[in-house]
Order: sequence, then C-alpha cells, then structure tokens
Amino acid sequence: QSVLTQPLSVSGAPGQRVTISCTGSSSNIEAGYAVHWYQHLPGTAPKLLISNNNNRPSGVPDRFSGSKSGTSASLAITGLQAEDEADYYCQSYDSALSDVVFGGGTKLTVL
Amino acid sequence: QVQLVETGGGEAQPGGSLRLSCAASFNLKNFGMHWVRQAPGKGLEWVAFIEHDGNVQNHAESVKGRFTISRDNSKNTLYLQMSSLTGEDTAVYYCARSRQPPPTYYMDVWGKGTTVTVSS
Repeated sequence: QSVLTQPLSVSGAPGQRVTISCTGSSSNIEAGYAVHWYQHLPGTAPKLLISNNNNRPSGVPDRFSGSKSGTSASLAITGLQAEDEADYYCQSYDSALSDVVFGGGTKLTVL
Repeated sequence: QVQLVETGGGEAQPGGSLRLSCAASFNLKNFGMHWVRQAPGKGLEWVAFIEHDGNVQNHAESVKGRFTISRDNSKNTLYLQMSSLTGEDTAVYYCARSRQPPPTYYMDVWGKGTTVTVSS
C-alpha cells in the first residue's frame, strides 16, 4: 500500500480534460513537501512532467498542469490525445519514513 | 544528448548478488543520483540516493543492509550493489538524475532500465 494514494485508473475521450489525484497525509504533502509527477510507458524511461507542484519542464506541453492543496495534489491533462495513454505517478517525501515516496500509479486510458 | 544507460541486470538465485551500473552521458559529478525500481505489475519504488560527491547515501528500508549505492565520478558511472537477493527484488531497475537538494528532490532524467530476476 502506497503512502500516496492515486486512483487505479482514469479515462477520457480525445479532446477532454481529466484529472489524477494524489492524496497524502500530514507527514508528506500536508507538511509542505513538493509533489512531482511522471509519465511512464512500460518498457520506456519514465518522463518528468511536473516538478515542485506546478512547474512544467521545457518540452512538456502546457496541456499538463499540476496543483496542490492541503493533503492532496492533482495532475490535470486537457485536450486529451491518444499519445497521453500511459501510467502516471506522483512523488514526494515522507518525513515519518524519511524516504522518497511514490504514489501507486494511475493508468490513463484514452477512449 | 543527455542520457543514462543501465547495465548489469540478469538472473540471480535467492541469496545471490548482482551489481548494476549506470553510465551517464553528462558530467555525473555535478549531480546527485537515484535508483528506482518497478516490480512486475507494480508501481515505481524508490530504492536509493547518493549525493554528487558520494559522501551521503540513503537507502529505502526494504533494501537497507542488503543494497549499497555508490559512484565513480572519474568513470561517470553510478552503481547499485545488491546482495541477499529475494524474489521481491525482481524488478526493472532505473537510474535517474536528481535535481534540488533533499528532501524535495525530483528526477529529471531517467534511463530505460535493466531487468533483475531472482529465481531458483
């Protein structure tokens, strides 16, 4: 069981908007530790999508955005495209574990 | 082109050892580095971190005392020495470049991974 909780799956039609939540606790997200998001296609290198809650590295389309509030963070994807179909992970730090922690991952299906 | 290439994966017996390597195309000495793994059908799991000069290492509880992260900046290479392997260590192992000081670090460059299978 992951310290950061994500939905197992989300789906949307091309062009739609989807959000993926990442729920933590007082020892990680609520404590103020930054949340980062990655996109992963099995068999390939994971890709950084969002750093420090809402910063997009260069080269990441502005269709991807991040936010954080309280014990949760969210990744929003607008204008869904077939190429967005992948697994998405949130990552932060947990002070109780003194470890980097990942969410369990969310599989995005583009219908 | 900025890239990381992992090698050294393969099959090992329970209780056995393996050493993974990660070669960098950029100047490794300027960056902290991580190992992250993904077991079959599971999500990403952080394994270990080492600071740019090798003076500080952190390991996940699940591997503490069995795995050791190290680096040779003169060879631009990161390592993960794994011992006392169990079936739960079967996974794809990724090396990744670290940005920002701990504990808020994140990983901005990843390799494609190397597969470790622990089986008798």
